[in-house]
Order: sequence, then structure tokens, then C-alpha cells
Amino acid sequence: DVKVTQSSRYLVKRTGEKVFLECVQDMDHENMFWYRQDPGLGLRLIYFSYDVKMKEKGDIPEGYSVSREKKERFSLILESASTNQTSMYLCASSSLAGGPKETQYFGPGTRLLVL
Amino acid sequence: AQKITQTQPGMFVQEKEAVTLDCTYDTSDPSYGLFWYKQPSSGEMIFLIYQGSYDQQNATEGRYSLNFQKARKSANLVISASQLGDSAMYFCAMREGGIGNQFYFGTGTSLTVIP
Repeated sequence: DVKVTQSSRYLVKRTGEKVFLECVQDMDHENMFWYRQDPGLGLRLIYFSYDVKMKEKGDIPEGYSVSREKKERFSLILESASTNQTSMYLCASSSLAGGPKETQYFGPGTRLLVL
Repeated sequence: AQKITQTQPGMFVQEKEAVTLDCTYDTSDPSYGLFWYKQPSSGEMIFLIYQGSYDQQNATEGRYSLNFQKARKSANLVISASQLGDSAMYFCAMREGGIGNQFYFGTGTSLTVIP
């Protein structure tokens, strides 16, 4: 079974803190994604990566950065957390090998509260 | 314009009845894939079913089927014989063109199965 793990299920941070969210997948997937999920807005893509050290901006990259130094690990960084970044953060990965049917596999999510 | 539209924020269905969750999409790319995911209250996203733009037949996976109407750009999920465990958020998603491309998600439909 594909396994995508995220470093924390729940996180509480203060405004202005630097926040690291880590995601690890064990299936040698090329693609990795970070989303935030808010009620009524669905999932919105923050950043994605299709290879080590490669990254692409998604729809809402402002206030976030990412790092992919190893194939299995994709980190999301909030340089200076703000209250409007309180959200559920979902990491996902997918393979290129499966062709067009290849789905994304999701981690359990991190619920971040910024006070 | 929204790539994926789910117009039903919430739905109720009686146990053992069938239910249809609506999804319309917008793309000019002739090659695309459509996906449905289930998100229980625990938060993890579970892949349910896939339909490719060139597939001639509607996709089916157990109690799930996808009513694909290409000309109308709709990809509705049909759940037959609803069970209490089907209560969850359901998301429709689309990937255009190449397999490395990003996914676009709808805002989701909350389904409640009534005993």
C-alpha cells in the first residue's frame, strides 16, 4: 500500500513563527503536492514538485515556500505564520508510471491553528 | 472560470437508496481525466473512481459509478445502495492533458446517510 505521512496531525503556532510541515511518501513517486483545504473552497494547490529540487507554484503560493531535497520528502514552509493561514494542509503524491489513470495519494492532513 | 463545479454543498440520502452527486467541469483540452474522492470526518482523502476523456464506457467500481456525459461536461458520481459509512465529503477533480499536470478540485459535497 502507498503510504504518505505528514509530520503532525494537529499544530498550534503563534503569529510570526516559522512553521515547517513535512510530508514523506514511500512509493518512489515523482510528483508531490501541497494543498490547503478550507470549508466551502475545496482543495487549493499551494505548490507541487515533479522532481528533486524542482518546484512549481500552484494557485495560492503567497506566504509559502517549499523544499524537496530528497525524492521521498516534500516540505511546506510558512516563513512568518499569519492567522489567515489557519487551515487543513494536505500532502499528496503520484507516480508518472501509471499513466493518465494515476491518482494522487493523500496523507492524513495537518490541522494548523495560528493564534 | 471554475474548472470543477459541485453545486450541492450538502445532500441527504436514506440508507439503501441510491444517490447522485453532481460535478461539471470546464476544459478545452481534449485529453483529461476525472476523479472522485471521499473524505470521511477523519480527514484522509480516498480515491474512488476514474474516468478518462476518451473512455467510451462509464466507469464503475463496486457500488460507485460515474455518469459521464461528455457533451454536457458532466461527471456525476452515483452511489448505489447507500450505507451509513458513505457519510463523508465527496470531491470531484480533473487533470488536464499530461500526467504530470496538476489536479483541480471542486468545493465538495457533504453526504449524510440517514438510517
